[in-house]
Amino acid sequence: GAVVSQHPSRVICKSGTSVKIECRSLDFQATTMFWYRQFPKQSLMLMATSNEGSKATYEQGVEKDKFLINHASLTLSTLTVTSAHPEDSSFYICSATFGGYEQYFGPGTRLTVT
Amino acid sequence: TQLLEQSPQFLSIQEGENLTVYCNSSSVFSSLQWYRQEPGEGPVLLVTVVTGGEVKKLKRLTFQFGDARKDSSLHITAAQPGDTGLYLCAGPWAGGTSYGKLTFGQGTILTVHP
Repeated sequence: GAVVSQHPSRVICKSGTSVKIECRSLDFQATTMFWYRQFPKQSLMLMATSNEGSKATYEQGVEKDKFLINHASLTLSTLTVTSAHPEDSSFYICSATFGGYEQYFGPGTRLTVT
Repeated sequence: TQLLEQSPQFLSIQEGENLTVYCNSSSVFSSLQWYRQEPGEGPVLLVTVVTGGEVKKLKRLTFQFGDARKDSSLHITAAQPGDTGLYLCAGPWAGGTSYGKLTFGQGTILTVHP
């Protein structure tokens, strides 16, 4: 149980375009979803916390207009990287929780901006 | 600010050796979790420790939670190449109202050579 999927797993886009990443909890309703960014050989960096039906809470230093988060249902959250630039290239991971502090992570999305 | 200090940051060992990873803080945590992440994948929850002094075993992995609930350790016996990955400790974030949010350690990159 507690399976989280992410789509796409890899995406290459051109500078200036937007990319949407989906995060789904497959077998449970997620009260909260989180979006992380991870650089090579480093820990996870929390970008934002997302609750269904309400605005996401962004961490300090994360541009909310650049990283748009929509949490339309208890099983789906999306992250849209708008006007992507090469410095946005990274590994993006979502996680979901259903009431406790144990988070269940998606497999990640590798974004490359050319 | 709650900080989780993990050590060592890098560990490179031969198959069959034993190892211990430490996760320390000056703050008390209600629980601590350990995750393992393989390259290109999302982290996978290994265990949650809740009670001070608790010891949990998962095959060759032994997890301890300090009596004061400020530290935890992960001991692997007879490491195998399949244990290779990034190990992360995490605990509930105590600030604000973001329920379910975690504080992560910096991670330990373990490489087990055949």
